Amino acid sequence: DQQVKQNSPSLSVQEGRISILNCDYTNSMFDYFLWYKKYPAEGPTFLISISSIKDKNEDGRFTVFLNKSAKHLSLHIVPSQPGDSAVYFCAASGGANAGKSTFGDGTTLTVKP
Amino acid sequence: EAQVTQNPRYLITVTGKKLTVTCSQNMNHEYMSWYRQDPGLGLRQIYYSMNVEVTDKGDVPEGYKVSRKEKRNFPLILESPSPNQTSLYFCASSLRIPTYEQYFGPGTRLTVT
Repeated sequence: DQQVKQNSPSLSVQEGRISILNCDYTNSMFDYFLWYKKYPAEGPTFLISISSIKDKNEDGRFTVFLNKSAKHLSLHIVPSQPGDSAVYFCAASGGANAGKSTFGDGTTLTVKP
Repeated sequence: EAQVTQNPRYLITVTGKKLTVTCSQNMNHEYMSWYRQDPGLGLRQIYYSMNVEVTDKGDVPEGYKVSRKEKRNFPLILESPSPNQTSLYFCASSLRIPTYEQYFGPGTRLTVT
């Protein structure tokens, strides 16, 4: 039972355009969601997060939207840059088991110059 | 520099030979966790620790052991490695619980033959 799903394994966009990465979850007890970015041969690094009491959080070019009724969140990157090319992981935590952290399978973003 | 270190970075071993992957953080974080990453499967949590002497199972704990005797260290022990434990392993830490951003180590690539 995969509780966090990223249904698009890959996404390719042109430099300067918007990148939209999607994530769906099934456990309604999750109350905190985070996005991580991973370059090859490195560990993931934190990008942006959102609490379940909010529906939007912005940090520079990155915005995360949360739709609790649909159990869906998305990461928007505007404008996309070649350096954004990486694997993006959605993660969820909270609820009855505060220590557990569940990740999606990742989406590989390629930004073409 | 704030960081999570893992050793070794690469390890090739044989079935049944006990091994330990060390993890250390210098940020005085309470929470630490181990993940494995396999192709197409994202990051799966093995074990986590909310504080010294407090550890708990993640989603894939079978075949692994951990200990948290000091705040900064969280070693991962494979008592009798098997080929299905061939994977890329990441250690992570965060201030308290994973709703705070996690800082990841660089990864340990383990091959069990």
